[in-house]
Amino acid sequence: DGGITQSPKYLFRKEGQNVTLSCEQNLNHDAMYWYRQDPGQGLRLIYYSQIVNDFQKGDIAEGYSVSREKKESFPLTVTSAQKNPTAFYLCASQLDRGGYEQYFGPGTRLTVT
Amino acid sequence: GQQLNQSPQSMFIQEGEDVSMNCTSSSIFNTWLWYKQDPGEGPVLLIALYKAGELTSNGRLTAQFGITRKDSFLNISASIPSDVGIYFCAGQNRGSTLGRLYFGRGTQLTVWP
Repeated sequence: DGGITQSPKYLFRKEGQNVTLSCEQNLNHDAMYWYRQDPGQGLRLIYYSQIVNDFQKGDIAEGYSVSREKKESFPLTVTSAQKNPTAFYLCASQLDRGGYEQYFGPGTRLTVT
Repeated sequence: GQQLNQSPQSMFIQEGEDVSMNCTSSSIFNTWLWYKQDPGEGPVLLIALYKAGELTSNGRLTAQFGITRKDSFLNISASIPSDVGIYFCAGQNRGSTLGRLYFGRGTQLTVWP
């Protein structure tokens, strides 16, 4: 089955710890994206990558880091510098940087206490 | 980042009624997308629009790409309980170097039996 997987579905961490969220796609898409969703808000772009070994900051990149070593994988690290890390995180992929439809994974809900 | 204006913010309707929602932007886009999100899940693409004035249907859903390229509309006919969820619009400039999406804040739809 082609698609985007995110793991785990639920993640709990103590304040001050870094945590890495996984995102894998087997759609052979070039572009991948990370969004954050808070209740009552839309999707806010954290980071995106248009090709392997290249990525750009989105609108709310502070406190987050990413890597893109393989086409299929785009992990997101939520660092201890992120002031309000508790949120629903969504990964998405798209055929290429020029556009076409963007498809989403099932999301990871991160709770930091 | 650019935010689209999506309205209404929420809707409470009875099963069988029709639903209309819209999205406006201060900038033009060459692609409009509509997504639906169920609680705790990732958004699912419903309809993609590529040309100003285009009217596209997907079952009971019909979406239109506004002639000014600054707006889009989604209609749901004869609503059913499984239509409950959050509907998001997104604008994109296909062919640009970024290809990123800009999202509205969503319309929360509740359908009463």
